[in-house]
Amino acid sequence: AQSVAQPEDQVNVAEGNPLTVKCTYSVSGNPYLFWYVQYPNRGLQFLLKYITGDNLVKGSYGFEAEFNKSQTSFHLKKPSALVSDSALYFCAVRGRYGNNRLAFGKGNQVVVIP
Amino acid sequence: DTGVSQDPRHKITKRGQNVTFRCDPISEHNRLYWYRQTLGQGPEFLTYFQNEAQLEKSRLLSDRFSAERPKGSFSTLEIQRTEQGDSAMYLCASSSLIAGASTGDNEQFFGPGTRLTVL
Repeated sequence: AQSVAQPEDQVNVAEGNPLTVKCTYSVSGNPYLFWYVQYPNRGLQFLLKYITGDNLVKGSYGFEAEFNKSQTSFHLKKPSALVSDSALYFCAVRGRYGNNRLAFGKGNQVVVIP
Repeated sequence: DTGVSQDPRHKITKRGQNVTFRCDPISEHNRLYWYRQTLGQGPEFLTYFQNEAQLEKSRLLSDRFSAERPKGSFSTLEIQRTEQGDSAMYLCASSSLIAGASTGDNEQFFGPGTRLTVL
């Protein structure tokens, strides 16, 4: 069964500093990997995905993530955090074959301090 | 707005009552998913449709839960004899197949959710 670990409950970062949100995954075979962001009282918004190809993927709002197969990681990064980036971030994984369900991590609350 | 829509946004009910939620996916998406999210947790998969066929159900989907997608467009999720443990946010998502792929779909787009409170 696929699973995701997001080890930190909350990530605090000063505005303008680099932001990193960690994610490790477990899945049979090669993964599809996703990052979503959730603002209060709103649904999940898609940020970026890794399907195949370049290990560094770029997404919305200046976010990027690096797929590392040997470490089974897919950390989310942003070079310079904004106060408006404060939100709940979820990493998700699914396998390439078999079921289509996404397995989500428990989420990381990001707080960007002005 | 051409995104995923859900109705109602909030539902408060008494234990033992039945509730039904509706999801309208993005029109060209043939795959539709239901998830449940409780406070402090990520979404948990409940069930998934490809067109009108329900292809997969989670063990979380007890006999009190039923989902339909009769015409391959909108979907309904019904909970019978609600229990306090059913209180959660119910999320719907839709996706399309990756072009040229026999398996695997593109990213799932989520609706705003229906927040259920069972008293």
